[in-house]
Amino acid sequence: KQEVTQIPAALSVPEGENLVLNCSFTDSAIYNLQWFRQDPGKGLTSLLLIQSSQREQTSGRLNASLDKSSGRSTLYIAASQPGDSATYLCAGNQAGTALIFGKGTTLSVSS
Amino acid sequence: GAVVSQHPSWVICKSGTSVKIECRSLDFQATTMFWYRQFPKQSLMLMATSNEGSKATYEQGVEKDKFLINHASLTLSTLTVTSAHPEDSSFYICSARASGVFGEQYFGPGTRLTVT
Repeated sequence: KQEVTQIPAALSVPEGENLVLNCSFTDSAIYNLQWFRQDPGKGLTSLLLIQSSQREQTSGRLNASLDKSSGRSTLYIAASQPGDSATYLCAGNQAGTALIFGKGTTLSVSS
Repeated sequence: GAVVSQHPSWVICKSGTSVKIECRSLDFQATTMFWYRQFPKQSLMLMATSNEGSKATYEQGVEKDKFLINHASLTLSTLTVTSAHPEDSSFYICSARASGVFGEQYFGPGTRLTVT
């Protein structure tokens, strides 16, 4: 069964820094790999979805990559801002199954 | 497009009572819906997968007689927490898959349940 691990569990950076969040998964037969943002007490906001045939996706200051052979995905955030402070969740699934979530990385960006 | 709603957004109930949470896909048909729960400062844990017109499949450790799931139409799934106890207090999130086994999952805004 797919397991998803995220490192680090927490990260604090000053405003303006570029940063990388890491996600690893156990089953390389992953179909969708998705990154979400969750603010305290709120639901999920989908950030980027990488499907099986894709290697990366970009949206604004965010770039996510997927390397199925190594079982890894990274979320790159450029020029971080205090508004980026949130918990970032990585989730993956095989075709037909539910997304399985990692425990998340809690990001704090100080001004 | 691809909006999923949940109702209620929050609910407080007394121990021993039952609570029903609705999950609706507003602008697409969802043959498959998923229910997750999230305890404070923890990640989302899959509870069950429901397919329209058939019985839900529960994850190991989730009591099917306590968490009743009904997926009677292509746009509505319900989760009923029966005989709720304080340890059932959690954030419940549903998601719906648009089409086929390759479709993206869209998530509802969640329902916060507090059992007193």
